[in-house]
Amino acid sequence: DAGVTQSPTHLIKTRGQQVTLRCSPKSGHDTVSWYQQALGQGPQFIFQYYEEEERQRGNFPDRFSGHQFPNYSSELNVNALLLGDSALYLCASSLAGGSGYNEQFFGPGTRLTVL
Amino acid sequence: SQQGEEDPQALSIQEGENATMNCSYKTSINNLQWYRQNSGRGLVHLILIRSNEREKHSGRLRVTLDTSKKSSSLLITASRAADTASYFCATVKFSGGYNKLIFGAGTRLAVHP
Repeated sequence: DAGVTQSPTHLIKTRGQQVTLRCSPKSGHDTVSWYQQALGQGPQFIFQYYEEEERQRGNFPDRFSGHQFPNYSSELNVNALLLGDSALYLCASSLAGGSGYNEQFFGPGTRLTVL
Repeated sequence: SQQGEEDPQALSIQEGENATMNCSYKTSINNLQWYRQNSGRGLVHLILIRSNEREKHSGRLRVTLDTSKKSSSLLITASRAADTASYFCATVKFSGGYNKLIFGAGTRLAVHP
């Protein structure tokens, strides 16, 4: 049973460019959350997708957008990249159910460097 | 801004010693979770404690929660070099069935052989 997978592993972009990161959830999971982790910091919640809709959003600008596909996989898009967008981007999957106790399983992350 | 604050920021101990990490948070929660991260990679879930629980054990891990003080602690007993990692607490406040994790800045633990 494959866990959460993310691609690519590493990415280098220049300021102003656009980037797309991808995530495949753990088998059986239907909810995907994205987090940004700057160096030396804890992860910060970006947004969460369920049933192909954004359900919750953290304090991130509209340059950050996402999508969830019918197979539950998800993409994170960042436009007009800034140096400050350099971070580890983590995807987490879980099973929706409203209980709030469903564990989120994290992928290995995508390291984005903006030059 | 982040909900949780871990203390200490860094901890260095010898193998066999116990490691205690603390986490404080600001608002009411439904549960608190501890995660481990090796070398800036993915997070591994360690333990979840619900707001109506005061203590929970899992192997060498012991977690306490004091909702009146809005604080939690993670104790790792008989530490091993392989426990070297960053440890994060994350709080959850239910929101219409969609629950996000709010992380602290983490404690970097180094266990020396």
